Amino acid sequence: AQSVTQLDSQVPVFEEAPVELRCNYSSSVSVYLFWYVQYPNQGLQLLLKYLSGSTLVKGINGFEAEFNKSQTSFHLRKPSVHISDTAEYFCAVNSGNTPLVFGKGTRLSVIA
Amino acid sequence: NAGVTQTPKFQVLKTGQSMTLQCAQDMNHEYMSWYRQDPGMGLRLIHYSVGAGITDQGEVPNGYNVSRSTTEDFPLRLLSAAPSQTSVYFCASSQRATSGRVNEQFFGPGTRLTVL
Repeated sequence: AQSVTQLDSQVPVFEEAPVELRCNYSSSVSVYLFWYVQYPNQGLQLLLKYLSGSTLVKGINGFEAEFNKSQTSFHLRKPSVHISDTAEYFCAVNSGNTPLVFGKGTRLSVIA
Repeated sequence: NAGVTQTPKFQVLKTGQSMTLQCAQDMNHEYMSWYRQDPGMGLRLIHYSVGAGITDQGEVPNGYNVSRSTTEDFPLRLLSAAPSQTSVYFCASSQRATSGRVNEQFFGPGTRLTVL
């Protein structure tokens, strides 16, 4: 079985400050890792994904994430956030042909 | 491509009523899934399908039925709605993952269901 733990349920941060949203996973097999973003009253949009290869993955809107196999982590980072980044962020994992397993989400609030 | 479409966008039911949430995709994806989203719980898998005629249960299947008669459609049925089923429901689809191909899930816009 696979599981995902998002370590922070809410993260407030000032505009133009850096942010890190933490995600740890558990799996007995090799995994694919994803970050999704959900803006208020909208569906989920893929930010970035890790399949294999380089452990640093760049996504849309200036976000990046680093896969760390030894620590079973896939933390999401952005060097300078904007008000428009206010949203809920979900980390998810699967093993290819298995359904996605999601974390409980981290609500990022950017303060002007 | 319209991607993944869901109808209705909003629905209010009384306890005991039945209804079907519709989901369709035009990307010829083999995999389709239904999730429910509740505050502080993330997205939890209800049912999924790996192809026409094949369905399986997810983490929270009780109170829901599904069928997959075509590749395009994956309806979710509530036979007797309960207040505990008040939630936002998302349908998703993806290609079958093979070597070198991404198993990225595409999500519909969601259905907000309230059961009184």
